[in-house]
Amino acid sequence: GAVVSQHPSWVICKSGTSVKIECRSLDFQATTMFWYRQFPKQSLMLMATSNEGSKATYEQGVEKDKFLINHASLTLSTLTVTSAHPEDSSFYICSARADLQETQYFGPGTRLLVL
Amino acid sequence: AQRVTQPEKLLSVFKGAPVELKCNYSYSGSPELFWYVQYSRQRLQLLLRHISRESIKGFTADLNKGETSFHLKKPFAQEEDSAMYYCALVNNQGGKLIFGQGTELSVKP
Repeated sequence: GAVVSQHPSWVICKSGTSVKIECRSLDFQATTMFWYRQFPKQSLMLMATSNEGSKATYEQGVEKDKFLINHASLTLSTLTVTSAHPEDSSFYICSARADLQETQYFGPGTRLLVL
Repeated sequence: AQRVTQPEKLLSVFKGAPVELKCNYSYSGSPELFWYVQYSRQRLQLLLRHISRESIKGFTADLNKGETSFHLKKPFAQEEDSAMYYCALVNNQGGKLIFGQGTELSVKP
């Protein structure tokens, strides 16, 4: 079946540093990848939609300069949290989809803790 | 507005009891609806999609357009069904998933 991986699975960083999270589709080509944020015991909040080779589309209220998304190939998208602050601590989840009619497959998530 | 509502934050049942997790939606047009499950410390995974009309792990869900509902049901709950369940719909703009707030199902022995 379709597998999506994320790296790292968890990261601790100091306030003010930048953190990059990778999302890979391992056995299919993902024309679209999505980035979500999930707080404890809460639902997934879509942050942005990323299509290969084009700029990401951000949801309302998500700072594009804060959360940089790059989808350079059909199997890799990256989310960079720039100048991270403690309030950015969260669980970040990506999903990938082969085309518009296909199911989204989710990565295992990356837990970010900003000290 | 496109919205998914799961009114129960927590549902606790005993093993062998029937379970129904409620989901209501607001959507103009023909919705495509899903149930996702997230077991403890595992990734979100697709449980059901309404267009396939499958039964997965004993769970079924029927789309009721009149009541704008897509409730998830299982006649006899098992302890391994304990998890977070999310109802979601695909919107007609870019195929984004819109999730409900989630319901935590706890099946007690």
